[in-house]
Order: sequence, then structure tokens, then C-alpha cells
Amino acid sequence: EDQVTQSPEALRLQEGESSSLNCSYTVSGLRGLFWYRQDPGKGPEFLFTLYSAGEEKEKERLKATLTKKESFLHITAPKPEDSATYLCAVESGGSYIPTFGRGTSLIVHP
Amino acid sequence: DGGITQSPKYLFRKEGQNVTLSCEQNLNHDAMYWYRQDPGQGLRLIYYSQIVNDFQKGDIAEGYSVSREKKESFPLTVTSAQKNPTAFYLCASKPGGYSPLHFGNGTRLTVT
Repeated sequence: EDQVTQSPEALRLQEGESSSLNCSYTVSGLRGLFWYRQDPGKGPEFLFTLYSAGEEKEKERLKATLTKKESFLHITAPKPEDSATYLCAVESGGSYIPTFGRGTSLIVHP
Repeated sequence: DGGITQSPKYLFRKEGQNVTLSCEQNLNHDAMYWYRQDPGQGLRLIYYSQIVNDFQKGDIAEGYSVSREKKESFPLTVTSAQKNPTAFYLCASKPGGYSPLHFGNGTRLTVT
């Protein structure tokens, strides 16, 4: 059974204070790791897909990296508009059903 | 614009009543999913469908039912057998394979 653990559960940053969110996973044959952003009262919005260890993806202030056991979402010089819940999900061999972590709630103070 | 439409945004029902949540997509995606989201619980899979006229139970299917008569539509019925139906319900779709999900903006159901 696939397992995904995200940490920390909640993170408060000052504007401009860089940090990282962690997504640890246990799967039998990773086929894809996905990062999403969710604003309050909205559906999650897709950010990145990572398929193999060593892969990196970037978008504005966000950078996602992947190893064989975990993924990091690095946030560089965050702004208040980056405040949201960030969700991580994995899909493994033979299943097209993503398993989600519980998310990290990020608040960036001006 | 292509996307997933969930309606209504808010829904209120009395205990003991069945209620149906609508989910429509115009992305031409084969696979559709229903998730339930509770505070601190993350997303839990209720039902999924990878093709028309076929669907499978997820982790928490008890008290729920679905149909997939058309590719575009995947309605979810919350029955009176669901013991704790108050939650935020999310519908999602994807084209198939190992690809990201596209989500609707959810329906918040309150049962009193």
C-alpha cells in the first residue's frame, strides 16, 4: 500500500524567508509524484509532476525536487500570495489511483 | 474554457435525505474521481471510474453511490446510510495513465 507523509503540517514564514516542504513516500514502483496547491474553499491546482529521482521542476518561486524516498518543494523569497495548502500525491506501478498526503498549510506574513 | 464544473457550491440537507452532487467535465478525460476532504484528513477516495459504464469503490465508499452513463458526467449520491456526510467533496478527472488530476472547485455539503 502506497503511503505519503507530508511535513510540517503547518508552516509560518515571513515574506522573503525561504523554506522547504517535505513529502516522504513509500511505494512499490513510483510512476509519478505530483504537487498541488489548494486555496481555501477551492479545488487543488496542479503544480508539478516528477517521474524519476534527480528530476527538478521550477515555476516562479517554487522548485520541486525528487529523490528515491522523498520530494521537496522549495519556496524562495515567498510572498503572501503563496499562502495556501500544498498537497503531494504519488502513483505507483499498476494503479492510476493517486495517494495523497495530508498537506502542508503555508502562511506567509507580509 | 475546458474544465470541471461541480454544482452546487454549497448544499444543505436534513439528516435522512439522499442528495446528489453534480460533476461535469468538458476535457474529454476518460477517468473521473470523487474525493472527500475533511480538516486534517487530506483527500480520501470515494469512487473512481476509468471508462463509461464502469466504476470502482475507493477507500470510503460506504454510504455513497455513483453512475457513469456519459463520459462527461460522474454524479455522486450521498445516501442516508452515510453516517457523517458533512464534508467538502471534490470531483477530479484526468486523461488516463500516470498524469495529474484536474479538480473542480468542490461542493460543501452540510447535513443537520
